[in-house]
Amino acid sequence: EAGVVQSPRYKIIEKKQPVAFWCNPISGHNTLYWYRQNLGQGPELLIRYENEEAVDDSQLPKDRFSAERLKGVDSTLKIQPAELGDSAVYLCASSSYLQGNSQNSPLHFGNGTRLTVT
Amino acid sequence: LAKTTQPISMDSYEGQEVNITCSHNNIATNDYITWYQQFPSQGPRFIIQGYKTKVTNEVASLFIPADRKSSTLSLPRVSLSDTAVYYCLVVSGKLIFGQGTTLQVKP
Repeated sequence: EAGVVQSPRYKIIEKKQPVAFWCNPISGHNTLYWYRQNLGQGPELLIRYENEEAVDDSQLPKDRFSAERLKGVDSTLKIQPAELGDSAVYLCASSSYLQGNSQNSPLHFGNGTRLTVT
Repeated sequence: LAKTTQPISMDSYEGQEVNITCSHNNIATNDYITWYQQFPSQGPRFIIQGYKTKVTNEVASLFIPADRKSSTLSLPRVSLSDTAVYYCLVVSGKLIFGQGTTLQVKP
């Protein structure tokens, strides 16, 4: 089975520029997550989708970050404008429902997009 | 939210058994305990998940005592390729990763 695919793998932009990350989850996985990981830290949840609905976006900085998951499959995370502090690895993960509780389903992660803001 | 506490780092040698303990005092009745492994420049990878007692798969074992306030990930006979960061998660509403345990396996 193909894993979670993310692109681009690396992105370097100047501050105040926009940037977008794309994620294709594992086929059939209804739940999709975006995490941000700073160097030496664990991943931090930004947003969680169940199908096309964002069910938890409490940690998403909504003044500059936005996300969408059209048709409940692929997802895009956007930052506009980017700031120096946004430099991090952005990880996408997906999972499938298990026993009616998606929270207990193991997450499958992509390899992330490393963003550098200069 | 159930918070987890685990050692920041551990060292071991090839061929040894490694046990990483995670504390989760506020675990709720319906919460599962899940462990992930992360190599540099890769996303975390699921290792094992359990609810109580012992779970074993081809990679690791997970020991959970009756009070479920802690859990221990056991890696048998580690090799250099097991050098990674290991995260313990209690799935409680939000999937919160802590800082993880950096395991360094030496030859």
